Amino acid sequence: DADVTQTPRNRITKTGKRIMLECSQTKGHDRMYWYRQDPGLGLRLIYYSFDVKDINKGEISDGYSVSRQAQAKFSLSLESAIPNQTALYFCATSDWDRQETQYFGPGTRLLVL
Amino acid sequence: GIQVEQSPPDLILQEGANSTLRCNFSDSVNNLQWFHQNPWGQLINLFYIPSGTKQNGRLSATTVATERYSLLYISSSQTTDSGVYFCAVGRAAGNKLTFGGGTRVLVKP
Repeated sequence: DADVTQTPRNRITKTGKRIMLECSQTKGHDRMYWYRQDPGLGLRLIYYSFDVKDINKGEISDGYSVSRQAQAKFSLSLESAIPNQTALYFCATSDWDRQETQYFGPGTRLLVL
Repeated sequence: GIQVEQSPPDLILQEGANSTLRCNFSDSVNNLQWFHQNPWGQLINLFYIPSGTKQNGRLSATTVATERYSLLYISSSQTTDSGVYFCAVGRAAGNKLTFGGGTRVLVKP
């Protein structure tokens, strides 16, 4: 079984809709991250969390919100989706005492019409 | 914020060839990682290498932190090496990573 899972894997939605992307991990890591990747570009950090009570904005947090429901679960919400949020979204985890290597989920492809 | 530049942007190799990918960064870092994104989009961590040299099979990496660059070597390339290679760096505590734009590699049989 995959250590970091994301649901859904693909999603098509319409402008103005609220959607949630979910991430779960079985690695026991404290730190979790949400990134987006636009075609032909690198990843950009949206939000990150060091534990259940710690949530931090990344470089492109506008239009997004997150919830850390448990150590193993980190959800990303688009409150009112817009077309330029069409992207590939990745969740990642890391453990501070293992050289902070990040492990990525399979990604969610989101299309906003 | 810190800038990360990767070169070349695209690389076409014949199977069996060797290659070097470069990552330059604009400030001192305490975290540097190399990732491979396969054609299906999956991101795999290759190396955690803020300094020094590491090897893993046909791949190796060297980071010269004082000169703010890192190199990824691919030897005896295989078609499965195709994909995009990303360098990502972090400065502050907490492992926030800034990604470069990637090097897209195509290995032809």
